[in-house]
Amino acid sequence: DGGITQSPKYLFRKEGQNVTLSCEQNLNHDAMYWYRQDPGQGLRLIYYSQIVNDFQKGDIAEGYSVSREKKESFPLTVTSAQKNPTAFYLCASGFRATNEKLFFGSGTQLSVL
Amino acid sequence: GENVEQHPSTLSVQEGDSAVIKCTYSDSASNYFPWYKQELGKRPQLIIDIRSNVGEKKDQRIAVTLNKTAKHFSLHITETQPEDSAVYFCAACYSGSARQLTFGSGTQLTVLP
Repeated sequence: DGGITQSPKYLFRKEGQNVTLSCEQNLNHDAMYWYRQDPGQGLRLIYYSQIVNDFQKGDIAEGYSVSREKKESFPLTVTSAQKNPTAFYLCASGFRATNEKLFFGSGTQLSVL
Repeated sequence: GENVEQHPSTLSVQEGDSAVIKCTYSDSASNYFPWYKQELGKRPQLIIDIRSNVGEKKDQRIAVTLNKTAKHFSLHITETQPEDSAVYFCAACYSGSARQLTFGSGTQLTVLP
């Protein structure tokens, strides 16, 4: 199903390596979000962007970076500074400044080799 | 900031019975309370949401109730079916502000045939 697409579905990171997760949406949403999901835990906000060329840190931004050069795209880079990167990463989009009715991507499972 | 607690973490019910999942929130300014359903291996999807000016909302077999005084809200699923088996997340925020959604830790609902 379309709307918001994440790639790849599975990703492996070597020690000291930066990896980038892709998120693209064609819903014409201004706002985009990155969440981290660990087993038995809720969704924790990493970064969010309400508009192009602007983004804000969420609750667990350390070791991650983002960019928002286009409305449709919000890539997440997991840097080598993130010591525990193994998790399921979810991208979402929605209407600006409401946090309502978020649409989620199908996720990327990141594992460390 | 907002803190959302969700109970129980796991719930098993017989097909046809009702299921209730409860959440409490800490920030009295929160006014938007969505529920997301995540089936195994799939993306979270919004199933119902409620705003603080409403005490109850129903959509077929699903209902959400909100008690602003006690700062808790609940998801009720009646006549459960096997396809209701999933992880359910509650969330809360002050919609329309810079504050972002805070999610509960999730409830794994299993409907036994």
